[in-house]
Amino acid sequence: GENVEQHPSTLSVQEGDSAVIKCTYSDSASNYFPWYKQELGKGPQLIIDIRSNVGEKKDQRIAVTLNKTAKHFSLHITETQPEDSAVYFCAAIRQANSKLTFGKGITLSVRP
Amino acid sequence: NAGVMQNPRHLVRRRGQEARLRCSPMKGHSHVYWYRQLPEEGLKFMVYLQKENIIDESGMPKERFSAEFPKEGPSILRIQQVVRGDSAAYFCASSPTLAGNEQFFGPGTRLTVL
Repeated sequence: GENVEQHPSTLSVQEGDSAVIKCTYSDSASNYFPWYKQELGKGPQLIIDIRSNVGEKKDQRIAVTLNKTAKHFSLHITETQPEDSAVYFCAAIRQANSKLTFGKGITLSVRP
Repeated sequence: NAGVMQNPRHLVRRRGQEARLRCSPMKGHSHVYWYRQLPEEGLKFMVYLQKENIIDESGMPKERFSAEFPKEGPSILRIQQVVRGDSAAYFCASSPTLAGNEQFFGPGTRLTVL
């Protein structure tokens, strides 16, 4: 089955700096890669996603890149703000309407 | 358009009791997924249902756990004879009726077994 690994497990950045979170996956048939943000006591919130036919996608301060050959994808957050502090999960899915396989999550802390 | 709704938000049970967790998907969504999150861990898939059908239950423990998504009403995740190891956050997600990848999560039910 699919295995998604996420590293590092914690990341601390200064407000205004950029943050990069990386994930690797094992199943070359995976074709959809979402990123979720989870704040304390809340459910995961879908913040951006990318499909395997695209190499990069951007939405304001957030971007995701995908390298299918190396089987890794990354979340980039620019101009970080304290409200970006949360746990971020990457995930992979093989086909529509099937289960997501999640990484273990990374705790991002943005220092004011 | 209301998001995915789950209730109760917090549930406390004593060992041996039953826990029933409810999930109402977003309007227009007929696919429901249940995930479990243990402390300091990522989310683990449990079961995927469509109306009146279980599509994939490969992540469900073989005993004590069951799920349903009836024609009318919310999806129910049922845990019988709970044990302390069942303490976790249980999240429900839904996706659109037409084939799509996006899964939108509810706020979760935090189960504590005493």
